[in-house]
Amino acid sequence: EDQVTQSPEALRLQEGESSSLNCSYTVSGLRGLFWYRQDPGKGPEFLFTLYSAGEEKEKERLKATLTKKESFLHITAPKPEDSATYLCAVPNQAGTALIFGKGTTLSVSS
Amino acid sequence: ETGVTQSPTHLIKTRGQQVTLRCSSQSGHNTVSWYQQALGQGPQFIFQYYREEENGRGNFPPRFSGLQFPNYSSELNVNALELDDSALYLCASRAGQGASYEQYFGPGTRLTVT
Repeated sequence: EDQVTQSPEALRLQEGESSSLNCSYTVSGLRGLFWYRQDPGKGPEFLFTLYSAGEEKEKERLKATLTKKESFLHITAPKPEDSATYLCAVPNQAGTALIFGKGTTLSVSS
Repeated sequence: ETGVTQSPTHLIKTRGQQVTLRCSSQSGHNTVSWYQQALGQGPQFIFQYYREEENGRGNFPPRFSGLQFPNYSSELNVNALELDDSALYLCASRAGQGASYEQYFGPGTRLTVT
C-alpha cells in the first residue's frame, strides 16, 4: 500500500537553530515527491517537486533532498515566519492523486 | 495570473443537509482535484476531474459528487451531511492529468456540520 510518513510530528526550534524534517515513502515507481507549506486554516502552498534520487532544490532557507526511500527538508537558520506545517506528498500508483503525510508542525521562536 | 479560488470561505450546516462548494482553477489548468483535510491530518483525496469527467476517486462514499465545467471550474456536492464531514475542503488544480504535475491549492472551505 502506498504510504507517506513524516517525522517528527512537531518540532520546536530557536531562531537560527538549523534542523531537518523527514519524509519516508513506500510507493512503486516514484513519479515525483512534493513539499508543501501550510499555515493554520489555509490551503497548502507549493514549495518543491523532486523527481529523482540525488536531486536537490533550494528556496531561501529551505533545501529539499531526495533519496530512493525518503526526502529531507533542511531548514537553515530558521526565522519565526518559517513556523508552519510542512507536508510531503507522492502521487498514487494510478497517478491521479497525491498521497499526503500528516505533516510536521514547525514552531520557531525568537 | 490568478490562482485557485474557492467559495465560500466558511460554512455551517446541519446533519442531513446538502452542501455545494465551488472552485475556480488556476489559469491554464485543466485538471481539478478535491481533498478533505481533517484537523491534524494531511489532505485526503476525494476525486479528480479532467475535461469534465471524473477520472479518479478516493475512498469516499457516493454522497460525495462533483462536476467540472467547460471553463475548468468545479463543484463538490455532499449529500446527507454527517458530523464527520466537518473538515477543510481543498481544491487543487494542475496543468495536466497526471499527478506528477505540480498541483496548486486554493485557500479551502471550512465546513462545520452540527
